[in-house]
Order: sequence, then structure tokens, then C-alpha cells
Amino acid sequence: QKEVEQDPGPLSVPEGAIVSLNCTYSNSAFQYFMWYRQYSRKGPELLMYTYSSGNKEDGRFTAQVDKSSKYISLFIRDSQPSDSATYLCAMEGVYNQGGKLIFGQGTELSVKP
Amino acid sequence: GAGVSQSPSNKVTEKGKDVELRCDPISGHTALYWYRQSLGQGLEFLIYFQGNSAPDKSGLPSDRFSAERTGGSVSTLTIQRTQQEDSAVYLCASSSGQGDTGELFFGEGSRLTVL
Repeated sequence: QKEVEQDPGPLSVPEGAIVSLNCTYSNSAFQYFMWYRQYSRKGPELLMYTYSSGNKEDGRFTAQVDKSSKYISLFIRDSQPSDSATYLCAMEGVYNQGGKLIFGQGTELSVKP
Repeated sequence: GAGVSQSPSNKVTEKGKDVELRCDPISGHTALYWYRQSLGQGLEFLIYFQGNSAPDKSGLPSDRFSAERTGGSVSTLTIQRTQQEDSAVYLCASSSGQGDTGELFFGEGSRLTVL
């Protein structure tokens, strides 16, 4: 079993839809949770970062962490074609300990106009 | 440039040959990472350099893989006697190594194809 599980998709939605992306994990030591976005043939870029449980909102994006269930989510409201990319969840156990992130497989999202 | 630079962007090689992949991190970033991304897979950690500390090599898949970082800046990932399963995109990332967590800045990767 992988430490971090993520449905690879692909996920196709119409423009304006609400998108829900999820990851589950097995290591209870994880405390820092991130979402990276990766456009085709580009490197990943940090989208959202959350510490421990709770919600964090940034514009159309909301990240949720439920440590009791070992489950994290990324919601995208009013999705746009420019949101079409692969979304990777990533986790780290100890603050500032090398950035040795454990990544999920990535979910490929396509937003159709 | 302002970002992480990797070269070559594409490399096709024959099985058994050695390859070198280069990474030039963001100026001033003390931490440097190599990850591997195979088709349909997430990013697999390979190795991490932080300042003058001994590198964390725990993710290297075999002794055919090695990496060095000269002068605390440019890094080279070397794969000896390449195998077809080494075909992947090799991503380099850097970070300031201070305070931030999770903010890795990635290059565009070196796409390796082993025939």
C-alpha cells in the first residue's frame, strides 16, 4: 500500500462546475499537507498549503484536512478551462526537515468550455 | 534566469549507456531535490541536498544512480548502465531551506527515454 493514495482520474467537468479532488494517507505523522498543480510538460507549482486539520481558502480554491480520517481534499469553485492540469497532493511529517515530500499519483483534471 | 533550470530537456539513450542530467537551482536556495516522475505515477523522491550537510540519498532506487552538488549550487544526477525502467521525467527542485515547508520550486524536468 502506498503512503499516499490519489485517484488518477482523468476527471472531466464543464466550465463553472465545482471540482473535488481527494487523497488518503496512511502515515499519521504527516502534519503538513500541500496541493501542487502541474501543467502539461511543466514542473509542479505549489497551489495550497495547510498545517494539521482544518480548512484554508484562497480565492476559488479551498483545501481541507481531516487528520482523524487521514483524508485531504481540494475544492475548486467556478472551475475554468485554465484549471485543466494535474493536481498532486503532497505531505510532509516534520517541519522544515528537508522538504522530503511524499506525493500522490496526481489527478488529471480537464475543464471543458 | 529566475527559475530552476534543467538540461537536457529531452534525452534519448540506448540501454546500458550512462546519462548525466543537470540542475541549476534558484540563486540563493540552499536546498536541492531530485524527484522522478514515471508515466501515470506521482513524484518519487530520489535525493536531497541541504547546504554542506551529507545528502539524503534514501530515495535512490539502485547503486546505478548517484548525484552530486558542486559548490552548493549546480547538481548533476548520473544514471549508469541505463535500463528501460529508468525512462521517466527527472525533476529538480530547490527551496530556500529556511522556514518554508512545502514550497519547492521545480524545473521543467529532463525527459529520459531509454531504448
